[in-house]
Amino acid sequence: DGGITQSPKYLFRKEGQNVTLSCEQNLNHDAMYWYRQDPGQGLRLIYYSQIVNDFQKGDIAEGYSVSREKKESFPLTVTSAQKNPTAFYLCASSQGAWQPQHFGDGTRLSIL
Amino acid sequence: QQQVKQSPQSLIVQKGGISIINCAYENTAFDYFPWYQQFPGKGPALLIAIRPDVSEKKEGRFTISFNKSAKQFSLHIMDSQPGDSATYFCAASGRTYKYIFGTGTRLKVLA
Repeated sequence: DGGITQSPKYLFRKEGQNVTLSCEQNLNHDAMYWYRQDPGQGLRLIYYSQIVNDFQKGDIAEGYSVSREKKESFPLTVTSAQKNPTAFYLCASSQGAWQPQHFGDGTRLSIL
Repeated sequence: QQQVKQSPQSLIVQKGGISIINCAYENTAFDYFPWYQQFPGKGPALLIAIRPDVSEKKEGRFTISFNKSAKQFSLHIMDSQPGDSATYFCAASGRTYKYIFGTGTRLKVLA
């Protein structure tokens, strides 16, 4: 089945620690996205990538970093600079502009 | 100009009733308007989407109505069922790859 796989489903971070969230897609989509979801705030864009080896900051990129070395993969690192990382993180992909974005089932990150 | 305002925040409907969720946008460059359904612990799933060249699009029990002059669009769920209980998000985008999402509507359909 084609789709987006996010792992792990739950992740815990200690103070001062960087953690990396995995996102893999087998839809052959060019574009990939990372969103953060907090209660009552909808989905906010962290980073997006239109093509391999290129990515742009979204609305809330501070404290996060990404890489896009392969078309299928777009990992997100939550760095220790992100002071309020507790949230539900969603990865998506699309074929391009004016195309629907397809979402994975998310990773819930909590602070220990 | 980049906001999409969604209302109501929550909605309770009787089984068999019509659920209506509204969204308004400001940026006239937006020309693609999808609606997503999200169940707890899952990612959003595309329900239906519309481009501004039509005023209405229907897929099964789900209908998008679009008013270009008012810069508003709405989702109507006909014959609402308990299985429709979820959070619904509208979104808007243009020639860029970025979506702007509304803040979501939590729908509960009573059996």
